[in-house]
Amino acid sequence: DGGITQSPKYLFRKEGQNVTLSCEQNLNHDAMYWYRQDPGQGLRLIYYSQIVNDFQKGDIAEGYSVSREKKESFPLTVTSAQKNPTAFYLCASSFRGRNQPQHFGDGTRLSIL
Amino acid sequence: EDQVTQSPEALRLQEGESSSLNCSYTVSGLRGLFWYRQDPGKGPEFLFTLYSAGEEKEKERLKATLTKKESFLHITAPKPEDSATYLCALETSGSRLTFGEGTQLTVNP
Repeated sequence: DGGITQSPKYLFRKEGQNVTLSCEQNLNHDAMYWYRQDPGQGLRLIYYSQIVNDFQKGDIAEGYSVSREKKESFPLTVTSAQKNPTAFYLCASSFRGRNQPQHFGDGTRLSIL
Repeated sequence: EDQVTQSPEALRLQEGESSSLNCSYTVSGLRGLFWYRQDPGKGPEFLFTLYSAGEEKEKERLKATLTKKESFLHITAPKPEDSATYLCALETSGSRLTFGEGTQLTVNP
């Protein structure tokens, strides 16, 4: 079945550590996105990529980094510079162009030890 | 600045009690409006895309409508399995989505 796979489902980080969240899709989508969701809040865009080897900052990119070396993969690194990393992280993908719906994975919940 | 506001924040219904959720927006150029359903601990599930004022789309007990300033998600005769958070999002430039904070719907049997 086609879909978006995020791993791990739960992740714990110690202070000062970088952690990388995985996102893989087999939907042949060109565009991929990372969002952060905090309790009672909507989704906020961290980074997005329309094509391989290219990505743009979203609204809250500080303290995060990404790479897009393959069409299927868009890993997100939460660096030690992100002061409040505890959140639910969601990856999405879509075809390029107007009005293309984004399809989401089931998220990674990151907590600080 | 593009803004999306959803109301109410939370809604409790009895099974079979129809109601509507609201998504109001201000945007410089609407490219599309999306509705999603999100279950606890899961990613949002795509429901509808609306492109222009006057458009309507239906899926089972759900019907989405769009005007120039707002969208409604009508739920007819809801069942407990319709309980979820419903998210509204606007497409702005560069295929980016701006999300509202969602309406948490609970349908009691």
